Amino acid sequence: QSVLTQPPSASGTPGQRVTISCSGSSSNIGTNTVNWYQQLPGTAPKLLIYSNNQRPSGVPDRFSGSKSGTSASLAISGLQTEDEADYYCAAWDDSLNGWVFGGGTRLTVL
Amino acid sequence: QVQLQESGPGLVKPSQTLSLTCTVSGGSISSDSFYWSWIRQPAGKGLEWIGHISTSGSTNYNPSLRSRVTISVDTSKKQFSLKLSSVTAADTAVYYCARDWGYIAGFDPWGQGTLVTVSS
Repeated sequence: QSVLTQPPSASGTPGQRVTISCSGSSSNIGTNTVNWYQQLPGTAPKLLIYSNNQRPSGVPDRFSGSKSGTSASLAISGLQTEDEADYYCAAWDDSLNGWVFGGGTRLTVL
Repeated sequence: QVQLQESGPGLVKPSQTLSLTCTVSGGSISSDSFYWSWIRQPAGKGLEWIGHISTSGSTNYNPSLRSRVTISVDTSKKQFSLKLSSVTAADTAVYYCARDWGYIAGFDPWGQGTLVTVSS
């Protein structure tokens, strides 16, 4: 059971906009920023969004993040087939004094 | 740019100690701006943070693993290491090392990961 809650799956067709939610609590998302990771099949995770809504260099602006209260969301617009991957949210948890992850969301591009 | 590479045995016997090393190249290991983390992923499952260390030796561990985990750093070799004792089949996973930018920016970059299987 992950500390952060994500839907196990999401899907969309090319060109569509999809969102993935991440729910936490006051000790993690409610207090600290949220980061998102993309894991393409058979590869290591890659930082996609940091500090709730910042994109590292090289990440397309189709990817965006937001946070409100104890929840966060990742939005992908103009969906492409290469976006098919697992997506994980993460935040520092002040009660556990450590990083916590969501269980991951598998995005399928139909 | 900074690259990380995990190394260590791919097979460990139950009850023994898993030992892995992460070598940092292309940049400095010593900085007040970040920590160095270990993260693992069982096959078909999600990510689990194991713990991290600063180059001054300050550590934080996942409470669920704290009694079995030790993370250390050797700045002269640009390496940091993981030891996980009393392993069982449940510790079978791909183990990743990553640079940990802390509260603000998370893990970036990651190593490619190394599969460790616990089996007799």
